[in-house]
Amino acid sequence: EDQVTQSPEALRLQEGESSSLNCSYTVSGLRGLFWYRQDPGKGPEFLFTLYSAGEEKEKERLKATLTKKESFLHITAPKPEDSATYLCAVQAPTFGNEKLTFGTGTRLTIIP
Amino acid sequence: GAVVSQHPSWVICKSGTSVKIECRSLDFQATTMFWYRQFPKQSLMLMATSNEGSKATYEQGVEKDKFLINHASLTLSTLTVTSAHPEDSSFYICSATLRRGEKLFFGSGTQLSVL
Repeated sequence: EDQVTQSPEALRLQEGESSSLNCSYTVSGLRGLFWYRQDPGKGPEFLFTLYSAGEEKEKERLKATLTKKESFLHITAPKPEDSATYLCAVQAPTFGNEKLTFGTGTRLTIIP
Repeated sequence: GAVVSQHPSWVICKSGTSVKIECRSLDFQATTMFWYRQFPKQSLMLMATSNEGSKATYEQGVEKDKFLINHASLTLSTLTVTSAHPEDSSFYICSATLRRGEKLFFGSGTQLSVL
């Protein structure tokens, strides 16, 4: 069974204080690893997809990296508007099934 | 990016009534849509996969007679919570994908509160 574990559960940072969020996964073959951002009372917003170990993607202050066992979401010089819950999800290579298995998320708070 | 619209955003109902939630893909055709449920501070749990023109595929432990899914067109899927009870109170989110294996686009979610 596919499993996704995210840490820490919650993280409070001062504005400008860089850090990383972790996503460890167990899957029988990885089709893709996805990062989403979720604001309270809203649906998840897509950030990145990573497909193979060594891959990196960047968007503004965010950078996602992938190894064979985990992914990191690096946040550089965060701003208060980066406060949200960040979700990681994996997709196994099951034919015709796009099902994603989600972690419980990291609740990030950036303090001005 | 692709837009998925979900309606209503929130609903309050009495125990025993039925509630319908709509999910529309606004600028693309979605042959497959997914329905998730999320409890406070917990992860998204897949309830069912909705395929246009065929019966939905439900995840283990999800009652198909309680959570009725209809995917009547390539742009619309509905989830009906029948005879709702307080334990059904949750955040329900739909999603769709442009192509198999690619990222999911999510609706804005529906907060259901059953009194």
